[in-house]
Amino acid sequence: SQQGEEDPQALSIQEGENATMNCSYKTSINNLQWYRQNSGRGLVHLILIRSNEREKHSGRLRVTLDCSKKSSCLLITASRAADTASYFCATDPGGYQKVTFGIGTKLQVIP
Amino acid sequence: GAVVSQHPSRVICKSGTSVKIECRSLDFQATTMFWYRQFPKQSLMLMATSNEGSKATYEQGVEKDKFLINHASLTLSTLTVTSAHPEDSSFYICSARDPQGAFEAFFGQGTRLTVV
Repeated sequence: SQQGEEDPQALSIQEGENATMNCSYKTSINNLQWYRQNSGRGLVHLILIRSNEREKHSGRLRVTLDCSKKSSCLLITASRAADTASYFCATDPGGYQKVTFGIGTKLQVIP
Repeated sequence: GAVVSQHPSRVICKSGTSVKIECRSLDFQATTMFWYRQFPKQSLMLMATSNEGSKATYEQGVEKDKFLINHASLTLSTLTVTSAHPEDSSFYICSARDPQGAFEAFFGQGTRLTVV
């Protein structure tokens, strides 16, 4: 299976702290995407990072990609209670191949 | 950017009935679309690959007679859950690739199916 793995599977932090989530995968990719999912709701696309990129920013989010180590890291700075959600990485090999989701990290930000 | 629209976002149906979910690529043509399913507190798992003008390719363990996929045009794929049972209650999401540019995959917002 290509399925990626997020680490940790669950994370609980205080509001204002930074949250770091890692995603490791096994095969080569064209790009990697991070999604957020609130309980019982749909996916919200956060960031897409391509294989030739090393880092990308979007507001309080920072994503890094290390293709040699087949890993990506999502950092949420100055977390808020509203950031409480599950976060998934999705690896895209490109072409007509399927996108594979990781098992997710459940983040809880305590006010 | 490219947009994938999924409808309905939520549906409740009675056991034994069928439910159709639509997935549309709004500003690009998609020869291939993907259908995923997510059970509570789990990740999204690929169910099948929908190919325009031909039969869908199903992942191992997915019943093709229960989950009917039709990809009749380059902008529309449908997933029909036939004779739905409570255990089919799940979150279903589709994805389509934009063949222009970087060929990236875009996801619909998903459909929450509840079978009562």
